[in-house]
Amino acid sequence: DSGVTQTPKHLITATGQRVTLRCSPRSGDLSVYWYQQSLDQGLQFLIQYYNGEERAKGNILERFSAQQFPDLHSELNLSSLELGDSALYFCASSVGTGGYSGNTIYFGEGSWLTVV
Amino acid sequence: LAKTTQPISMDSYEGQEVNITCSHNNIATNDYITWYQQFPSQGPRFIIQGYKTKVTNEVASLFIPADRKSSTLSLPRVSLSDTAVYYCLVGDMEDTGRRALTFGSGTRLQVQP
Repeated sequence: DSGVTQTPKHLITATGQRVTLRCSPRSGDLSVYWYQQSLDQGLQFLIQYYNGEERAKGNILERFSAQQFPDLHSELNLSSLELGDSALYFCASSVGTGGYSGNTIYFGEGSWLTVV
Repeated sequence: LAKTTQPISMDSYEGQEVNITCSHNNIATNDYITWYQQFPSQGPRFIIQGYKTKVTNEVASLFIPADRKSSTLSLPRVSLSDTAVYYCLVGDMEDTGRRALTFGSGTRLQVQP
């Protein structure tokens, strides 16, 4: 158990809909990261927040947005969903600003999103 | 953009030592190198992290040459349960100047009995 909690674990929704994925980082971690992993694909970095502020942005679609709240939990909002958005979405957290400063990043078990 | 390059797949047998190399030619001065293990439908799990030379923990060793343009994850005496995808991760500079954390394509290790 990494200490990173993601909900829901599974979600099925229809095209065009909007969903929200939630992440609680490990206790004491200030950074939250979101990654997308499609079937048999690698991990695609979406976005990072550090202490409530956006820190780095990857290949996140305009239909997707995220935020980190004062209690440090984070939400990833996916809207106008398409079939191709079906994937496993991972949240991760670290104490500092990530791998380039020597801090270990810990991953949750992911949220499975299926768009039908 | 900095990228990492790893072999797509490797095969080994139980009890053998496995070395997986990752190339990261554009690694930045402050970047650390981190390796993760991922089983199907699970989140990546931290294995080891290093900055330079050699790092060893209870499950693996990490070798980083002086120029830091590559790194090698060494798994001693692998077992069937080590069958997984292994990723190396380094910081990645975006065009905007902000840092991103980009995984490579990973190496799929298959351990045979």
